[in-house]
Amino acid sequence: AQSVTQPDIHITVSEGASLELRCNYSYGATPYLFWYVQSPGQGLQLLLKYFSGDTLVQGIKGFEAEFKRSQSSFNLRKPSVHWSDAAEYFCAVGALAGNTPLVFGKGTRLSVIA
Amino acid sequence: GAVVSQHPSRVICKSGTSVKIECRSLDFQATTMFWYRQFPKQSLMLMATSNEGSKATYEQGVEKDKFLINHASLTLSTLTVTSAHPEDSSFYICSANDPVGYNEQFFGPGTRLTVL
Repeated sequence: AQSVTQPDIHITVSEGASLELRCNYSYGATPYLFWYVQSPGQGLQLLLKYFSGDTLVQGIKGFEAEFKRSQSSFNLRKPSVHWSDAAEYFCAVGALAGNTPLVFGKGTRLSVIA
Repeated sequence: GAVVSQHPSRVICKSGTSVKIECRSLDFQATTMFWYRQFPKQSLMLMATSNEGSKATYEQGVEKDKFLINHASLTLSTLTVTSAHPEDSSFYICSANDPVGYNEQFFGPGTRLTVL
């Protein structure tokens, strides 16, 4: 079965500290991977995506993620967190053929403290 | 990038009324659109897959008679919540596949439904 696991429900980091959000997936076909961010009451904003090629992808707002096929992981990182990064983060996996929907993880809530 | 819009962004209605939510792909034609529902502090839950010109495919547990989906054109899908009740209050998000290129899925901004 296709699934995405985000092991951390809630993470708190200090402003300026580094961040890593974990994502593991189980997918039968070649996975295409995404990270979205959602602020309270808002829609989803795409941070970055991996389709093929370089396994280290750069996204918006200084985020990056690394695809590791051997570990079935796509962890999101940021070297220095800003207070405005506090939000809910969702990892998703899909196939770009066959018009299949994305499968989402349960999300990780990021809190940033001064 | 491709843009998907939803209308309305927020709606408040009385219990027993029906509400229609529109999802439009603004700069591409989408043969497939998806409808998700999101409860507070939870992830997105797929409700149904909408294909242009055919009946929608609903996920298990989603009442097709309560959540009517119509994909009338390549740029428009609608979700009608019939006889809405307070438990239908939620955040509804649509997405659309752009068949050009990577067949990537693009998300609308969501519609907040509150049923009184």
